[in-house]
Amino acid sequence: GAVVSQHPSWVICKSGTSVKIECRSLDFQATTMFWYRQFPKQSLMLMATSNEGSKATYEQGVEKDKFLINHASLTLSTLTVTSAHPEDSSFYICSARASPQLELFFGEGSRLTVL
Amino acid sequence: DAKTTQPPSMDCAEGRAANLPCNHSTISGNEYVYWYRQIHSQGPQYIIHGLKNNETNEMASLIITEDRKSSTLILPHATLRDTAVYYCIVRPAAGGKLIFGQGTELSVKP
Repeated sequence: GAVVSQHPSWVICKSGTSVKIECRSLDFQATTMFWYRQFPKQSLMLMATSNEGSKATYEQGVEKDKFLINHASLTLSTLTVTSAHPEDSSFYICSARASPQLELFFGEGSRLTVL
Repeated sequence: DAKTTQPPSMDCAEGRAANLPCNHSTISGNEYVYWYRQIHSQGPQYIIHGLKNNETNEMASLIITEDRKSSTLILPHATLRDTAVYYCIVRPAAGGKLIFGQGTELSVKP
């Protein structure tokens, strides 16, 4: 299947700093990308949907000013966790789709630890 | 909210078939059943999907009941590497986002 890559795989940062996570589709053009968050022992929770060239659509309860999503090209979406706090520590996963195909391909995930 | 119900955990002996059930009693006519799995600390991996006919690929088989209110994912010869959380997801035919439920944690034991 198609390849979606995330970077970094893991990151540790101090409270109050901002962290950027990249999601790249390596061998296809991703018209839509999705960002998920997963806490330990829990399922994936959808945070937002981003379409290339337009503003992201956030799920209810997700702060758009805290989790900035940019999808400026067909192969790259970024999630920036602004002013990170320990409660933002989580596993962040992206997935990508190439319209009109329906298949969603997932990245390997990025583990964020905020000290 | 997820539209599926799965048992929280199951065990399976290595080499035996693993049968993972999923209830989706409110599924509508244009919705597909998708299965993904997530091995610890990795991103989800696509397994199989279907609408109403049974499906088979190199990884698994998907059996959907005639009324489409439930389905079963079958791993014909489970290996230790199949230990993972398996998610059954109902998704509109037009595509769009995947909403994950709690899934079934499958433990394959030697």
